[in-house]
Amino acid sequence: KAGVTQTPRYLIKTRGQQVTLSCSPISGHRSVSWYQQTPGQGLQFLFEYFSETQRNKGNFPGRFSGRQFSNSRSEMNVSTLELGDSALYLCASSRGNLNEKLFFGSGTQLSVL
Amino acid sequence: QKEVEQDPGPLSVPEGAIVSLNCTYSNSAFQYFMWYRQYSRKGPELLMYTYSSGNKEDGRFTAQVDKSSKYISLFIRDSQPSDSATYLCAMSTNTGNQFYFGTGTSLTVIP
Repeated sequence: KAGVTQTPRYLIKTRGQQVTLSCSPISGHRSVSWYQQTPGQGLQFLFEYFSETQRNKGNFPGRFSGRQFSNSRSEMNVSTLELGDSALYLCASSRGNLNEKLFFGSGTQLSVL
Repeated sequence: QKEVEQDPGPLSVPEGAIVSLNCTYSNSAFQYFMWYRQYSRKGPELLMYTYSSGNKEDGRFTAQVDKSSKYISLFIRDSQPSDSATYLCAMSTNTGNQFYFGTGTSLTVIP
């Protein structure tokens, strides 16, 4: 069974630009969560999508948005990039019941210059 | 104060040693507790998943939860160089699907 796939693996952008990250969950998984990982803050929850609806949201500004498609694939968008947005962005999928085990992808390493 | 606190280490032990990793938390509503292992340039991999208090064992790994002290532990027996990684604790409540992570402890097992 294929794992969670995230593309691209690496991304370099400049301040003010926008970026879109993609996540394909494990087959049969209907929930996709996004996390930001930085050395100082660790993993911080961005949002969770289930059946194309945002079910839960963390404390990030509106520049961070996401969506989920009917095949459960998800995209995350960051607009007006800031230097502090440099991080590893991790996607995790689960079957969708509350507190199900999360399975992570390898992440997208975003560098903002 | 962060909801989940974890000593970042780094922790360095000889091969074969018993390793103890710990997290403390402040939210008494946490009911689900997890340990993840993360290798460099990889995503976290689930090691242990427990509900409420008690112990759970899986091979060389034992997870302990003490809700009265708001303290969880992961023990690794007969540690191997392949255990060298960052270990993350995570927890969640009954009501949401949001997981709260510690910042991770970096472990090196020396052959």
